Amino acid sequence: EVQLVESGGGLVQPGRSLRLSCAASGFTFDDYAMHWVRQAPGKGLEWVSGISRNSGSIAYADSVKGRFTISRDNAKNSLYLQMNSLRAEDTALYYCAKDTEDYSNYFDYWGQGTLVTVSS
Amino acid sequence: SSELTQDPAVSVALGQTVRITCQGDSLRSYYPSWFQQKPGQAPVIVIYGKNNRPSGIPDRFSGSSSGNTASLTITGAQAEDEADYYCNSRDSSGKHVVFGGGTKLTVL
Repeated sequence: EVQLVESGGGLVQPGRSLRLSCAASGFTFDDYAMHWVRQAPGKGLEWVSGISRNSGSIAYADSVKGRFTISRDNAKNSLYLQMNSLRAEDTALYYCAKDTEDYSNYFDYWGQGTLVTVSS
Repeated sequence: SSELTQDPAVSVALGQTVRITCQGDSLRSYYPSWFQQKPGQAPVIVIYGKNNRPSGIPDRFSGSSSGNTASLTITGAQAEDEADYYCNSRDSSGKHVVFGGGTKLTVL
C-alpha cells in the first residue's frame, strides 16, 4: 500500500524558515518524480515544486522560486521542502504527491498534508 | 499562457450526466489530470492522460480533450460525487505544473 506521510509543519513567524518532510513507502521511491502541492485555507490547489527521480530536473512555482528548495533522499525514501523567508501568503496545507512517471502532471497518490501557518 | 480556467460551480440532478470543463493553451500540448477533493480530505486522481482511470475509480468518470479544452464527464452522477474537481496540466517548459481554480459540483 502506497503511503505518503508529511511532517514538519507548524506555526512560524514571517521571515523564518521551516523544513517539511515526506516519508514514502509501498512503492519504489526512486522510480518516480515527486511534487509538493499546497492549499491555502478555503482556496484551491497550487503546485509548489517538483523533482525528477534522480533530482536532475527540478522546478518551482514563481511564487516560491528563490525561497523554497526541494530535495529528495532516495536511500531514505524521503522528499523534503526547505522553506525560507516565509510570508503570510505561504500559509497553507502542504501536500506531498507521487507522480505516475519520471516527471509529469499525473499525481496518483497524495499524503494527508502538513499545515504551515505563517504569522507573528 | 499557462493558466487553466474552470467554472466555479456546476450542479447536476442525481443520475444525470455532467461535464466539467477546463480551458487553457497548455492543454493543446499536454493531457490533463483530474482530481476530486471532498471536504477535509486530500485530492484523489480520477482521470489522467488521454482518458486513463486509476483502479478503484468508477467507470462513470471519463475524460476527453479537444484543442484548448479538456472535459471530465460523470455519466449518472451519484450523491457521493459531490465534491470539488480540479484539472491540471503543464506549461510550455514541461516542468511547471498548473492547476485550474476548481469546480464545485453539487448533486441535486
